[in-house]
Amino acid sequence: QVHLVESGGGVVQPGRSLRLSCAASGFTFSSYGMHWVRQAPGKGLEWVALIWSDGSNEYYADSVKGRFTISRDNSKNTLYLLMNSLRAEDTALYYCARGGAGGPDFDYWGQGLLVTVSS
Amino acid sequence: QAVVTQEPSLTVSPGGTVTLTCGSSTGAVTSGHYPYWFQQKPGQAPRTLIYDTSNKHSWTPARFSGSLLGGKAALTLSGAQPEDEAEYYCLLFYSRVRVFGGGTKVTVL
Repeated sequence: QVHLVESGGGVVQPGRSLRLSCAASGFTFSSYGMHWVRQAPGKGLEWVALIWSDGSNEYYADSVKGRFTISRDNSKNTLYLLMNSLRAEDTALYYCARGGAGGPDFDYWGQGLLVTVSS
Repeated sequence: QAVVTQEPSLTVSPGGTVTLTCGSSTGAVTSGHYPYWFQQKPGQAPRTLIYDTSNKHSWTPARFSGSLLGGKAALTLSGAQPEDEAEYYCLLFYSRVRVFGGGTKVTVL
């Protein structure tokens, strides 16, 4: 079955960087686009970024554009999110979610990973 | 970036019907926004109920349905159950960017 497992979260100081990973299994990773979605404590969902299955295109929410970079390594079945110039408002639970491959997006989600930006 | 709007909260009686809506700051919501609806319960990851306006996953209870209504996307819950108490989010596609609505807290009471 499909599994998405995030790792790399934790506490980081404002202005610093952090890289999240999402290990995928149970499906042909290289055939699917992938998303990052986040949720600040007690708040709603916010779409963060999308990368195409072959990594050829990336799209970002305005709130993270220029600071975050989504990438993937299809040989390792792993999705990444490099977060630079972190701010307090980036504190959130970060989810990876499977995109579509001719079918619906967001059909499988990871369990979420907490990132806290604090001095 | 577009803003997607939802009712902050709605209450429905057990067995009753409630309709949640999802609007766009850019104008009418159409099938070209590929509306999605998600359910999220406390401490859990979101779960997709509806995609592309009205399509259901295999796990979507039959009492949930999606549509376009009056220039908005709509999620209708018919025959509400206690386990349907949750936060519901819509999501719209804007070219390659996706935007979530602020969520609707549905109380079954």
